[in-house]
Amino acid sequence: DIQMTQSPSSMSVSLGDTVTITCRASQDVGIYVNWFQQKPGKSPRRMIYRATNLADGVPSRFSGSRSGSDYSLTISSLESEDVADYHCLQYDEYPYTFGAGTKLELK
Amino acid sequence: QVKLLQSGAALVKPGDSVKMSCKASGYTFTDYIIHWVKQSHGKSLEWIGYINPYSGGTNYNEKFKSKATLTVDKSSSTAYMEFSRLTSEDSAIYYCASGNNYGYWGQGVMVTVSS
Repeated sequence: DIQMTQSPSSMSVSLGDTVTITCRASQDVGIYVNWFQQKPGKSPRRMIYRATNLADGVPSRFSGSRSGSDYSLTISSLESEDVADYHCLQYDEYPYTFGAGTKLELK
Repeated sequence: QVKLLQSGAALVKPGDSVKMSCKASGYTFTDYIIHWVKQSHGKSLEWIGYINPYSGGTNYNEKFKSKATLTVDKSSSTAYMEFSRLTSEDSAIYYCASGNNYGYWGQGVMVTVSS
């Protein structure tokens, strides 16, 4: 199975920060990486699809990028509503696999 | 708008089975594959498998192949997942998801396995 190694597992952040979360794929997954935001008691919400595409309704302070096997989610100028868990997903090869998640917490 | 409405929480005994549903609305049911995802301990996500509502074809994560059975009822635009021989390790929230690139998610079903 493809491993998606997500880092960091948690991050203490301040409002206005630029935050970057990364997933490293254990083998080539091309562009087939999504990023999801999840708030307590809620379902995951797709934020980025196919590595770099902003999903409908997602603020432009969110962006996705790829460098080789590293996929990153960046949040510019963090707002309070962005404090949540974030997950990456590869859907290039079955079984699809998620990263272990990143929890953002306010300092 | 697109909605995936899942069935309610379940409390089941070890060794029992549970069948949960995911009713789709707001789009043509046969247009999108439906995936099922497990979330344990409030954090990590695991892909269980998918079903193609058009063909009924399925693809399972090997880890869940002997545990999960995916079916659909096209007449009611509903997908089902049955989880069998439940143990405490199966206590989790289960989501259905659909749409291009995982755009739509159900609200989740909390399953608690306890005697």
